[in-house]
Amino acid sequence: QVTLRESGPALVKPTQTLTLTCTVSGFSLDTSGIYVSWIRQPPGKALEWLARYDWDDDKFFSTSLKTRLTISKDTSKNQVVLTMTNMDPVDTATYYCARMRAVVAGNIVLDYWGQGILVTVSS
Amino acid sequence: DFQMTQSPSSLSASVGDRVTITCRTSQSISTYLNWYQQTPGKAPKLLIYATSNLQSGVPSRFSGSGSGTEFTLTISGLQPEDFATYYCQQSYSTLITFGQGTRLEIK
Repeated sequence: QVTLRESGPALVKPTQTLTLTCTVSGFSLDTSGIYVSWIRQPPGKALEWLARYDWDDDKFFSTSLKTRLTISKDTSKNQVVLTMTNMDPVDTATYYCARMRAVVAGNIVLDYWGQGILVTVSS
Repeated sequence: DFQMTQSPSSLSASVGDRVTITCRTSQSISTYLNWYQQTPGKAPKLLIYATSNLQSGVPSRFSGSGSGTEFTLTISGLQPEDFATYYCQQSYSTLITFGQGTRLEIK
């Protein structure tokens, strides 16, 4: 079955770089029409999309965060890695990775999600 | 970026009630609108895609409608497990965006 699992540090200091890994199973990152996104959710707040890595190696980033984000893929390890530089306490959130795929008429949905990882930014 | 506005932000209702949540977008997105349900401590779950299509396994008491810039999620006959937070999400743009969420609470 399809699963995604986020891993990384639970605590980072301000100004540090955060590296999160999404390890997937049950599907291939190279399958046509498959994408993996990162989404975050500060405590008690709404979901915020961060970045996406496509099966064909296209990458897309949130307009507001694109200068701080990089995303990469390691197909051999079934992993998608997100890095976010210059972390700040306002970046404290649960970070999710999710599989995306096209459904009706090109509409792309987030159909499977990881359980999320809470990252706290504090000195 | 496409701005998404949900209303209401929170809603109190009783088991058996019918409730409607609205999502408005800053620009037309045709029917590229999806709905997710999130319960505390859990990841969101896809409910409805492309405005009105139920994801596999989602009960038929959930329905969606709309097009362009205004969309609705309706739950007919609320069940205890439906009390959760609901998010709309547009996929018209490559840079997807979510609404701010609607928290549905038990009255």
